[in-house]
Amino acid sequence: GIQVEQSPPDLILQEGANSTLRCNFSDSVNNLQWFHQNPWGQLINLFYIPSGTKQNGRLSATTVATERYSLLYISSSQTTDSGVYFCAVEWIQGAQKLVFGQGTRLTINP
Amino acid sequence: NAGVMQNPRHLVRRRGQEARLRCSPMKGHSHVYWYRQLPEEGLKFMVYLQKENIIDESGMPKERFSAEFPKEGPSILRIQQVVRGDSAAYFCASSHREGGYTFGSGTRLTVV
Repeated sequence: GIQVEQSPPDLILQEGANSTLRCNFSDSVNNLQWFHQNPWGQLINLFYIPSGTKQNGRLSATTVATERYSLLYISSSQTTDSGVYFCAVEWIQGAQKLVFGQGTRLTINP
Repeated sequence: NAGVMQNPRHLVRRRGQEARLRCSPMKGHSHVYWYRQLPEEGLKFMVYLQKENIIDESGMPKERFSAEFPKEGPSILRIQQVVRGDSAAYFCASSHREGGYTFGSGTRLTVV
């Protein structure tokens, strides 16, 4: 099957800082999504980004499909950005389902 | 569009009881996926269903777990004779080709 690795596993920053989260995957994908799991456990869909670059406010994401990685950028971090960020992919050779990475736990201190 | 609806949000069961988790996909979607998240871990695929069909159950434990998606009504994930190790968050998702997968808010199952 496909492997999805996220780095770093943990990240602690002060409010206002910028951060970059990385997702590497081991094979070609149909679909890549970034999710934010907030402290209440809800999964929020941030980006559907199988390739290219997208921006939504302070967040942006880039997927370079040919090199099998994606990056999530968070600028001017706020305490509400805290939580776990998951990358998930749909393997092009696999069944129709998402495979999740282990996540990056982001803590933003005031 | 109400999104993916799951209920209950929280469920407490004693060891040996049955747990039933419900999921209604986004309006117009006929595919649902169930995922399990153990504490401090990522989400793991369990089962993919279409109306009245199980498409992929490669992630389902072999015993005590079953899922269905009837012609009418929500999808049901059923866990018989629950054990403490079944305590987890169970998420349901539906998919759309243009925008990927959308997840519900999850059901947090606690087995006491």
